[in-house]
Amino acid sequence: NAGVTQTPKFRILKIGQSMTLQCAQDMNHNYMYWYRQDPGMGLKLIYYSVGAGITDKGEVPNGYNVSRSTTEDFPLRLELAAPSQTSVYFCASSYLIRTETGELFFGEGSRLTVL
Amino acid sequence: ILNVEQSPQSLHVQEGDSTNFTCSFPSSNFYALHWYRWETAKSPEALFVMTLNGDEKKKGRISATLNTKEGYSYLYIKGSQPEDSATYLCAFPTSGGYQKVTFGTGTKLQVIP
Repeated sequence: NAGVTQTPKFRILKIGQSMTLQCAQDMNHNYMYWYRQDPGMGLKLIYYSVGAGITDKGEVPNGYNVSRSTTEDFPLRLELAAPSQTSVYFCASSYLIRTETGELFFGEGSRLTVL
Repeated sequence: ILNVEQSPQSLHVQEGDSTNFTCSFPSSNFYALHWYRWETAKSPEALFVMTLNGDEKKKGRISATLNTKEGYSYLYIKGSQPEDSATYLCAFPTSGGYQKVTFGTGTKLQVIP
């Protein structure tokens, strides 16, 4: 099993450019998450999804968009990149059913620099 | 925004020392608490998922306890080894409806040989 796969691993963007970070999981997990890692701040939730067609905002959604058309894929789109979006982005997935809580499985991260 | 706090922020211990750190979370509407280990240049990996007040979980030299009434969890490492050097994160899933998972800022542990 590949688990959670993120691409690209590294990217440099110019201010105002747009790009999409890809995330795919092959574990049939219903929940998927996007976090960003800022120094000294831990992981901040950007968006999450509870299943195909259902997404919701996290703590820091401004400047980002997501979609979830399939169970497997949860891309994160950055429109009009800004230096404040320089960060390491982690995609994660988990399997949650009504009375259980599952741990998150993380991708390897995508390091984005906006200059 | 949920307040999930971890202390201390960083810790240096000698090899062989035992250590512990704290995660504080809202005690109302408790659902579960996760602990993750995050090594440098890798991704976080789950250590424990804790759901019941008084829970105690153990994996090798690492153990965790949970007090949902007062809103804290302790992570203990017995006889620290250099390979234990990592950032330890706790995470708090919200209860009810869609489940967001909020992470604490982590405790960075450095074990000195």
